[in-house]
Amino acid sequence: EAGVAQSPRYKIIEKRQSVAFWCNPISGHATLYWYQQILGQGPKLLIQFQNNGVVDDSQLPKDRFSAERLKGVDSTLKIQPAKLEDSAVYLCASSGGQLDPEAFFGQGTRLTVV
Amino acid sequence: DAKTTQPTSMDCAEGRAANLPCNHSTISGNEYVYWYRQIHSQGPQYIIHGLKNNETNEMASLIITEDRKSSTLILPHATLRDTAVYYCIVRVGRISSGSARQLTFGSGTQLTVLP
Repeated sequence: EAGVAQSPRYKIIEKRQSVAFWCNPISGHATLYWYQQILGQGPKLLIQFQNNGVVDDSQLPKDRFSAERLKGVDSTLKIQPAKLEDSAVYLCASSGGQLDPEAFFGQGTRLTVV
Repeated sequence: DAKTTQPTSMDCAEGRAANLPCNHSTISGNEYVYWYRQIHSQGPQYIIHGLKNNETNEMASLIITEDRKSSTLILPHATLRDTAVYYCIVRVGRISSGSARQLTFGSGTQLTVLP
């Protein structure tokens, strides 16, 4: 089966600019996650969707981060305005297919804020 | 979810078995032990999971102690491509929905397979 697709692969922006990341999960997967991974650390969950509803966004900095999952399929994560500390890899994952409990991760988007 | 403790780093000679330990002394009765790995510049990849019995698949073996307070991931014949960060995670098992499905990552163990 096709994997989790993310774009772009890399992004460099200046602080205070805005940026958006896109994720296409594995077909049929109801659950979608966005993780933030700062260099040298494990991934940290930002938000979890079940279909097009938010299950948990308790660790999402809502003053600058937003996310949506259109029609329960693709998802977009936005940062506006970006700060230097937002430099990280943003990973999208999905689960809920036949091979549950596995979660499948995309390759991530590496964001550098300068 | 219960917390896990893993060594920061380990080395292993190519072709030898790599044994990665994990302590999870506060694990609950309904929590499973999961292992994921993350190769450089890639997203995490599922390896194996178990509740209390030892498990084996094409990638690895998982040995869980009888008291379930610790486990060991075994890569029987490590190759250079096994160099990665390995994460041990405890989580409630097969469930249909909700925040309990989340994976909470620690810092993991950096395994370096040496030629």
